[in-house]
Amino acid sequence: AQSVTQPDIHITVSEGASLELRCNYSYGATPYLFWYVQSPGQGLQLLLKYFSGDTLVQGIKGFEAEFKRSQSSFNLRKPSVHWSDAAEYFCAVFNDYKLSFGAGTTVTVRA
Amino acid sequence: NAGVTQTPKFRILKIGQSMTLQCTQDMNHNYMYWYRQDPGMGLKLIYYSVGAGITDKGEVPNGYNVSRSTTEDFPLRLELAAPSQTSVYFCASSPSDRFPYEQYFGPGTRLTVT
Repeated sequence: AQSVTQPDIHITVSEGASLELRCNYSYGATPYLFWYVQSPGQGLQLLLKYFSGDTLVQGIKGFEAEFKRSQSSFNLRKPSVHWSDAAEYFCAVFNDYKLSFGAGTTVTVRA
Repeated sequence: NAGVTQTPKFRILKIGQSMTLQCTQDMNHNYMYWYRQDPGMGLKLIYYSVGAGITDKGEVPNGYNVSRSTTEDFPLRLELAAPSQTSVYFCASSPSDRFPYEQYFGPGTRLTVT
């Protein structure tokens, strides 16, 4: 079955520093991949998605992600984090009408 | 355009009680989903529906029931609440005409069973 793994449970980053969140997928064919963000007490918001074409995709809030088939990865990046980026981030793979989510990575931003 | 709305926001149930979590979307989406979120576990799919009158089980359906009589509404029913059902529940919907079906989430219902 298709699945995603997020190896990092928690990441702390300084404001203004760069951020990279890892996501590895398990899927035989070309996967359809998503990154969602969940701010405290809120629902999930879509940051970006990949399903074909350019392997570097741009999303909202200054985030981008790169699909690397050779590494089965879809890592999320942001060049300079803001305090408002503190949240939980979920990687997901589309599978037969449904999304399968990773366990999530919590990002803490320190001043 | 309210998107996906869920009621209630919070609820405390006693073991054995029943309740219905309400979910409504006003985007005319055919696909709707119920997830539960437990700490460190990500989101697990409980049930989903691809249209009015059609529902199917997800990863963790035991202890829950759903119905889909209209496009807009997708209620989740807990018949005999158990402590293991303490969780945050999210409803989501997605359009069927824009593959790969981006999902829009509601704000969640935090349920505690004691």
